[in-house]
Amino acid sequence: DTAVSQTPKYLVTQMGNDKSIKCEQNLGHDTMYWYKQDSKKFLKIMFSYNNKELIINETVPNRFSPKSPDKAHLNLHINSLELGDSAVYFCASSRGTGQEKLFFGSGTQLSVL
Amino acid sequence: GENVEQHPSTLSVQEGDSAVIKCTYSDSASNYFPWYKQELGKRPQLIIDIRSNVGEKKDQRIAVTLNKTAKHFSLHITETQPEDSAVYFCAASRGARKSNYQLIWGAGTKLIIKP
Repeated sequence: DTAVSQTPKYLVTQMGNDKSIKCEQNLGHDTMYWYKQDSKKFLKIMFSYNNKELIINETVPNRFSPKSPDKAHLNLHINSLELGDSAVYFCASSRGTGQEKLFFGSGTQLSVL
Repeated sequence: GENVEQHPSTLSVQEGDSAVIKCTYSDSASNYFPWYKQELGKRPQLIIDIRSNVGEKKDQRIAVTLNKTAKHFSLHITETQPEDSAVYFCAASRGARKSNYQLIWGAGTKLIIKP
């Protein structure tokens, strides 16, 4: 029983396309996050949702739009993909809003050609 | 802005020896310090965390120490094994579970265990 699951695991697409990544957690956590990990392995938070409410919205191009239909799901939609968007995107969840004891999904490797 | 510096960026140790990774934080109000391990191609996983009211915490072969005065904390791995090879991330936050304070991440340390 995977605690935080995200799909797809790999995403290869052309520049200019629109794509979505889905995430679901079955831990009963209140908060979900999207992180981006670049080629140098640096982890950068993008968004955070608590009970469907956006609480962290870092400086991210507005081509990235998160959506949380309920507290167990957080999806990421990316419009007009660019080469620089290539990275690994991790979904995560935690019980509270303080990013304590984060549980990460297995990641989505996005490659923009 | 607040930052966390992590050293070294790469650490190579002989199997069976100890490894130490150090992090320095800038925000003196930080009170929560987790360490995550990320094996190659896998997700980051929490291995140990410590709060500012505790100076040291151990869990089997891993331990974390905190020096609030100097604003640094360290991860210690004893009797290293091949499965300890991974990238280790430190982080610091002001927040308790119900806050929305940011978690500030270090840049990671690649630990290589030589057989």
